[in-house]
Amino acid sequence: DAGVIQSPRHEVTEMGQEVTLRCKPISGHDYLFWYRQTMMRGLELLIYFNNNVPIDDSGMPEDRFSAKMPNASFSTLKIQPSEPRDSAVYFCASSLGEYNQPQHFGDGTRLSIL
Amino acid sequence: GENVEQHPSTLSVQEGDSAVIKCTYSDSASNYFPWYKQELGKRPQLIIDIRSNVGEKKDQRIAVTLNKTAKHFSLHITETQPEDSAVYFCAASNSGGGADGLTFGKGTHLIIQP
Repeated sequence: DAGVIQSPRHEVTEMGQEVTLRCKPISGHDYLFWYRQTMMRGLELLIYFNNNVPIDDSGMPEDRFSAKMPNASFSTLKIQPSEPRDSAVYFCASSLGEYNQPQHFGDGTRLSIL
Repeated sequence: GENVEQHPSTLSVQEGDSAVIKCTYSDSASNYFPWYKQELGKRPQLIIDIRSNVGEKKDQRIAVTLNKTAKHFSLHITETQPEDSAVYFCAASNSGGGADGLTFGKGTHLIIQP
């Protein structure tokens, strides 16, 4: 099992640019979660999907953030336009849909907006 | 929504001693309580979890207790070792029938003194 795979591992870009983060969940998992980690706010849930359908996006900070899951093996988190305060580590996690199954995290994308 | 408080923020113990980290939650409907360990620059890794129908769970040197009435749960690590040094996060979720996003505490930096 390859685990949750995220790309890129690191991204440095200038303010105003579009940023796209990618995630491949563990095969067979039907839930996918996007989290953001900062020193100030800790680990926060941004959005999650069940069977490719967004279930709760109440954690998405602004309209500049959008997420999609076009199929069971791929999801993207997009920021457009990016701002310095978006700098954080973005984690993707996946889990099975049965009752209270563990969430497995990817290695994260460290995003720096200059 | 759910709010998870975690204490202490930093904990320093002598190698071989025990460490206890405590968390409280606000939503009485929460029914799943995982603990994650995160080493510097790495992803959060699940170390143990407990569901609301259980009061205590143990896995070798790690144990978790849950008091639903008081809405608090704790992580106990016995015979601490240098490799236990990391940041530990508690979390809570309410998954009615499938999965749900996690609400995390702010983390505890555990330092094992040789």
